[in-house]
Amino acid sequence: DVVMTQTPVSLSVAIGQPASISCKSSQSLVGTSGKTYLNWLLQRPGQSPKRLIYLVSKLDSGIPDRFSGSGSETDFTLKISRVEADDLGVYYCLQGTHFPNTFGAGTKLELK
Amino acid sequence: EVQLVESGGGLVQPGRSLKLSCAASGFTFSNYYMAWVRQAPTKGLEWVASITNSGGSTYYRDSVKGRFTISRDNAKSTLYLQMDSLRSEDTATYYCTRCYFDYWGQGVMVTVSS
Repeated sequence: DVVMTQTPVSLSVAIGQPASISCKSSQSLVGTSGKTYLNWLLQRPGQSPKRLIYLVSKLDSGIPDRFSGSGSETDFTLKISRVEADDLGVYYCLQGTHFPNTFGAGTKLELK
Repeated sequence: EVQLVESGGGLVQPGRSLKLSCAASGFTFSNYYMAWVRQAPTKGLEWVASITNSGGSTYYRDSVKGRFTISRDNAKSTLYLQMDSLRSEDTATYYCTRCYFDYWGQGVMVTVSS
């Protein structure tokens, strides 16, 4: 199975400051189609997960451009340029290239 | 508006069965792969199973293979998860999600306990 190693486990950030989360996969996430099925999701407290970014860097509809995704092969990063209160929750990376699909363990974003 | 509404959860004894349903609306169900993802209490997310848009192919995590069956009825726009031989470690909130994980249901709780 592809192991997704996500760091840090938790992140304490002041409003208006940047944040960055890393996700490393144990093997390349480039699929046979040439696409890289790496997603980022946010689960706010008490809510279902919500996808923010797909195919490494594409923002879902309605997601502010404060969020950005980058990376390739096995090394990926989610960045928030300026954290807002609404960004609180647990962030997960998820690879959809290989079965079983696998998630990172999550990064809890808290306000400082 | 895309909606996914799960049902069928509850408390069940170890070794018994339960069938979850996910009613989809707001999109052409038969065009999309679908999946079940679960989350044990206070834990992270775990993919359980996926099914192609026609239902012709299914995929499972090893720990549920042979016990769980994912299926769909495209005429009813409904996804199912038949869970047999349930174990305490299957206790979780189960989410229905449209692939590639762009829409999620509200989740349904399954508790396996004697």
